[in-house]
Amino acid sequence: NAGVIQTPRHKVTGKGQEATLWCEPISGHSAVFWYRQTIVQGLEFLTYFRNQAPIDDSGMPKERFSAQMPNQSHSTLKIQSTQPQDSAVYLCASSLGGGTEVFFGKGTRLTVV
Amino acid sequence: AQSVTQPDARVTVSEGASLQLRCKYSYFGTPYLFWYVQYPRQGLQLLLKYYPGDPVVQGVNGFEAEFSKSNSSFHLRKASVHWSDWAVYFCAVSRTGGYKVVFGSGTRLLVSP
Repeated sequence: NAGVIQTPRHKVTGKGQEATLWCEPISGHSAVFWYRQTIVQGLEFLTYFRNQAPIDDSGMPKERFSAQMPNQSHSTLKIQSTQPQDSAVYLCASSLGGGTEVFFGKGTRLTVV
Repeated sequence: AQSVTQPDARVTVSEGASLQLRCKYSYFGTPYLFWYVQYPRQGLQLLLKYYPGDPVVQGVNGFEAEFSKSNSSFHLRKASVHWSDWAVYFCAVSRTGGYKVVFGSGTRLLVSP
């Protein structure tokens, strides 16, 4: 079990460019989560999927952020027209659901210059 | 809605001294509760978890936490802190049968010699 896999580990984009972050959850996990972590804001919930269906995206900035889960083995977080304030570590996590523990990936550090 | 409050953003403890990190949750029903730890430049790892039962739960590296329904708390404790415990600690809550896990803002633990 390789755990939750996130790629790339580091990404640098120019202001206004698009960034796509990838996540491969643990096989068999039905819930997939995206979080954003910064020094100032701490750990922020963005969105989550259950059995590939989007359930709660209340933490997603509405205009430029989108997340998808086209199949049970991967999810993507896309940020259009990236801004410097989008710089953060983006964490993907998965769980079996039912309130059980969440397993985190190592994160993707996004830097917008 | 469920929520988690970690009132102390930063705690400094001398090596060898005892530790308590505070966590208050807001939840209607029976919660599942978790403590996660994030060591420098690493991902979040589960430290311990509470599922309804014995209110005191043991975790790795000598950590334990006690669930209190009357106080809506799930404080983390350790009898003797080691320098390697220097990390950020997150409290989290979920619910039986649920999927979403809500995290607190985290407490940064600093260990002084």
